[in-house]
Amino acid sequence: AQKITQTQPGMFVQEKEAVTLDCTYDTSDPSYGLFWYKQPSSGEMIFLIYQGSYDQQNATEGRYSLNFQKARKSANLVISASQLGDSAMYFCAMREGRYGNNRLAFGKGNQVVVIP
Amino acid sequence: EAGVTQFPSHSVIEKGQTVTLRCDPISGHDNLYWYRRVMGKEIKFLLHFVKESKQDESGMPNNRFLAERTGGTYSTLKVQPAELEDSGVYFCASSRGLGEETQYFGPGTRLLVL
Repeated sequence: AQKITQTQPGMFVQEKEAVTLDCTYDTSDPSYGLFWYKQPSSGEMIFLIYQGSYDQQNATEGRYSLNFQKARKSANLVISASQLGDSAMYFCAMREGRYGNNRLAFGKGNQVVVIP
Repeated sequence: EAGVTQFPSHSVIEKGQTVTLRCDPISGHDNLYWYRRVMGKEIKFLLHFVKESKQDESGMPNNRFLAERTGGTYSTLKVQPAELEDSGVYFCASSRGLGEETQYFGPGTRLLVL
């Protein structure tokens, strides 16, 4: 069963506007972590933001924030004030908390194109 | 601080040949991971080293894949013999410790098996 779901089609975003990327997850483990990575056309995977399942507040990192809704099992990424350099594929990933299990499960990704 | 590096960046080989991918983690990171993304699919976990020991190799697809991390520093992933379905991007990642530690990814090796 798929653990991370990213279903949005490719998105075009106007420069300087905000964009929300959807991510829902499936786990029965009470301890887990959620990550967002960015993959520009050059191919590298860049870590953006992390949210732990026990964190009380939504994570923020500069222009990135994570809208964590635990009951709905969603962890949407919000990018504020989009820039041309934000054009990339964005991946949501989850690490489940069982001891020794540190592997990440990834979604299929969301393609974002920022237009001037 | 240097990031995760991978070599080669690209590799084109024929079916039946052998290819060895290398990953150098961030200095001081005990945990090293291999992932793979084949065309049109999600990025999938392959295995996890803690220092030189295999902590979790549940994602290794079959015995044509052999990963090593001698001395607990760099790691190699050998595919022998390569098949067409092995084509994809192979990512390496590293993290300092277990738990909430973020995994930092390398640029990937793009493997094409003809």
